[in-house]
Amino acid sequence: GIQVEQSPPDLILQEGANSTLRCNFSDSVNNLQWFHQNPWGQLINLFYIPSGTKQNGRLSATTVATERYSLLYISSSQTTDSGVYFCAVGGGSGNTGKLIFGQGTTLQVKP
Amino acid sequence: EAGVVQSPRYKIIEKKQPVAFWCNPISGHNTLYWYLQNLGQGPELLIRYENEEAVDDSQLPKDRFSAERLKGVDSTLKIQPAELGDSAVYLCASSSWTEGNTIYFGEGSWLTVV
Repeated sequence: GIQVEQSPPDLILQEGANSTLRCNFSDSVNNLQWFHQNPWGQLINLFYIPSGTKQNGRLSATTVATERYSLLYISSSQTTDSGVYFCAVGGGSGNTGKLIFGQGTTLQVKP
Repeated sequence: EAGVVQSPRYKIIEKKQPVAFWCNPISGHNTLYWYLQNLGQGPELLIRYENEEAVDDSQLPKDRFSAERLKGVDSTLKIQPAELGDSAVYLCASSSWTEGNTIYFGEGSWLTVV
């Protein structure tokens, strides 16, 4: 099945810093979503981005489907950005349409 | 608009006992998912429904887990009997093709088996 790798696994930032999170996947996809899981466990959908670039406030994401990776940019980080960021992909060959999640990047933003 | 609603939020049971989780998806969402999340890992799909039909249940341990989605709306996930290794968070999510299949998760049901 499709493999999803996220990097870095852990990231510590000072408030105000910028960061880039990466998601590599092993097969062609027609579905890619980024999620933020807050410290209370709630998973919030950030982007549906199987290709191209999107921006939402301080967050933006780019997916280069032909090269099988996606990037999530966080600018001017805030303590509320802390949590785990997951990339999830779907639609690879043999995939029935379900989303496969990576292991996540744990972000800690210090005040 | 209400999000995905799950209950109970927390459940502690003894091993070998049964447990059931309930999910009410976002109104109008035809696709419903049950995911399992172990500590420190990403969610893993247990079962996916398109309306009332289970279209992907390959990861559901059918010897002890069962699920149903009556009338294509609410869903129930049951474990009987529970084992210590079932301690995890059970996440329900829903999506609609009209919204580009963006997936929305509930807050999860945290299960501890002792």
